[in-house]
Amino acid sequence: QKEVEQDPGPLSVPEGAIVSLNCTYSNSAFQYFMWYRQYSRKGPELLMYTYSSGNKEDGRFTAQVDKSSKYISLFIRDSQPSDSATYLCAMRGETGTYKYIFGTGTRLKVLA
Amino acid sequence: ETGVTQSPTHLIKTRGQQVTLRCSSQSGHNTVSWYQQALGQGPQFIFQYYREEENGRGNFPPRFSGLQFPNYSSELNVNALELDDSALYLCASRRQEEYEQYFGPGTRLTVT
Repeated sequence: QKEVEQDPGPLSVPEGAIVSLNCTYSNSAFQYFMWYRQYSRKGPELLMYTYSSGNKEDGRFTAQVDKSSKYISLFIRDSQPSDSATYLCAMRGETGTYKYIFGTGTRLKVLA
Repeated sequence: ETGVTQSPTHLIKTRGQQVTLRCSSQSGHNTVSWYQQALGQGPQFIFQYYREEENGRGNFPPRFSGLQFPNYSSELNVNALELDDSALYLCASRRQEEYEQYFGPGTRLTVT
């Protein structure tokens, strides 16, 4: 079993839809959670980062962490064709550790 | 604020050769990590450098080695290249006391 599981998609939605992207994980030591957006053949771009459980909102993006269920989500409101990309979740344990574990990424396509 | 930069953008090498990839960290960042991303996969952690020393390593053989310089820039060296080394190599930097890391655009290595 992988430490981080992420549905690879592809996920196709119409423009303006609310998108929900998710990751599950098995390591209860993970405390730091990140979402990256990666366009084709480019480096990942940091979108959101959260510590421990709770919600964080930034514009059209909301990140949620449920540590009791070992489940994290990224919501995108009013999705745009420019949101079409691969979304990667990443996580890490407490300070002093260096190993960030990534999901395989979910491909999202927003149709105009 | 200057972001993470990497060079070269693309590289084609022959099996058995050696390669050096370069990374300049984001301004103010003292910790650099290297990742390998195969097509359709998430980034896999290779190693991390802090204060010019490797302080964390993933499941990669010793033919993957690196350096960090006093200005926090870094190199990744891969000896005895194999076909499976073909991938996007990503450099990420952060401040040691923070957990959010930022990626460069990557170097796409093709081994023939």
